[in-house]
Amino acid sequence: AQSVSQHNHHVILSEAASLELGCNYSYGGTVNLFWYVQYPGQHLQLLLKYFSGDPLVKGIKGFEAEFIKSKFSFNLRKPSVQWSDTAEYFCAADTGRRALTFGSGTRLQVQP
Amino acid sequence: SQTIHQWPATLVQPVGSPLSLECTVEGTSNPNLYWYRQAAGRGLQLLFYSVGIGQISSEVPQNLSASRPQDRQFILSSKKLLLSDSGFYLCAWRGTGSRNSPLHFGNGTRLTVT
Repeated sequence: AQSVSQHNHHVILSEAASLELGCNYSYGGTVNLFWYVQYPGQHLQLLLKYFSGDPLVKGIKGFEAEFIKSKFSFNLRKPSVQWSDTAEYFCAADTGRRALTFGSGTRLQVQP
Repeated sequence: SQTIHQWPATLVQPVGSPLSLECTVEGTSNPNLYWYRQAAGRGLQLLFYSVGIGQISSEVPQNLSASRPQDRQFILSSKKLLLSDSGFYLCAWRGTGSRNSPLHFGNGTRLTVT
């Protein structure tokens, strides 16, 4: 069965530090990939998505993610985090089963 | 524009009592609808999804059930709640027939079973 793994459960960074959150999926076929963000007290929002084409995807708020097919990875990056990036981040994969499979989430805490 | 409404926002229920959480979507037709449960450190677990009225797929065996009595209405139910049913429940929708459409989530219901 397909699965999505996020190995960083809790990340603490200082403002202006660079961010990379890992995401790996297990599925050998065509897959669409997503990153969602949940800010404190808010609902889940789409951050960015990859369907095809350029493996480097740019999303909102300066985030980007790179799809590396050979590594089954879709890591999320941001060159310089801000305090307002404190949130929980979820990676998700769509393998055509009509529903998204989510990772366990990474809680990011940015210290001012 | 499309909107998704989920209620109630919070709910405290005793063990053994029934449950009904409701979700409605506006501004779209024939959406795919989903119920997820979010648990700390465990991400989002898919509970049910529906591709049409009366069509429900269950992902995990459990004490819960789902129904879709109308095109844009999705209900999560239980006849007798267990303590383990406590959690944060999220309703979501996406466009029909396209894997390229993202999920859109409601604000969630925090359920506490006492």
